[in-house]
Amino acid sequence: AQSVTQLGSHVSVSEGALVLLRCNYSSSVPPYLFWYVQYPNQGLQLLLKYTSAATLVKGINGFEAEFKKSETSFHLTKPSAHMSDAAEYFCAVTKTSYDKVIFGPGTSLSVIP
Amino acid sequence: GAGVSQSPSNKVTEKGKDVELRCDPISGHTALYWYRQSLGQGLEFLIYFQGNSAPDKSGLPSDRFSAERTGGSVSTLTIQRTQQEDSAVYLCASSQTSELNTGELFFGEGSRLTVL
Repeated sequence: AQSVTQLGSHVSVSEGALVLLRCNYSSSVPPYLFWYVQYPNQGLQLLLKYTSAATLVKGINGFEAEFKKSETSFHLTKPSAHMSDAAEYFCAVTKTSYDKVIFGPGTSLSVIP
Repeated sequence: GAGVSQSPSNKVTEKGKDVELRCDPISGHTALYWYRQSLGQGLEFLIYFQGNSAPDKSGLPSDRFSAERTGGSVSTLTIQRTQQEDSAVYLCASSQTSELNTGELFFGEGSRLTVL
């Protein structure tokens, strides 16, 4: 069965510092991987997705993630944090569009001025 | 509309009453999910509909919870005899399934349920 782990339920970074949110998955086949973001009092929206076209994926708001098969990881990064990046971030995996999407527990990102 | 629509956006009810929450997915999307999100918590999977297949009900927390999807489109989540611990935001998401799609989910804004 597929699963997703996100190391660190809460991450705090200073404004302008590197953001690194960790995601590891288990899947028996090359998966589709996603990062979703939930800003305060809003629904979830897609940040970026990996679909096997390229291992380094760029998303909205300056975020990117790198698929590393050997490490079964899909960590999310941003070079310089902004106050507006404070949100809940969820990593998700699925084998195909016909299979159920499995979400990780989420990481709450705080940005300190 | 173009997105996933949920109603009501807010519902306040008394303990013991039944509530119905509605989700109208994006037209053509065959997959539909319900999640529950309690204050400050992550996503709790409730139920998953995929086309004409039997729904995956493995996340429903008790027999007070049920959901149906009529005509492969609109879905209703019903909570019977509501309890205070049912207070949460209920999120609906849909996706298109085909060889060309990747399973990306589109979320509604949620229905906030408060049980007094």
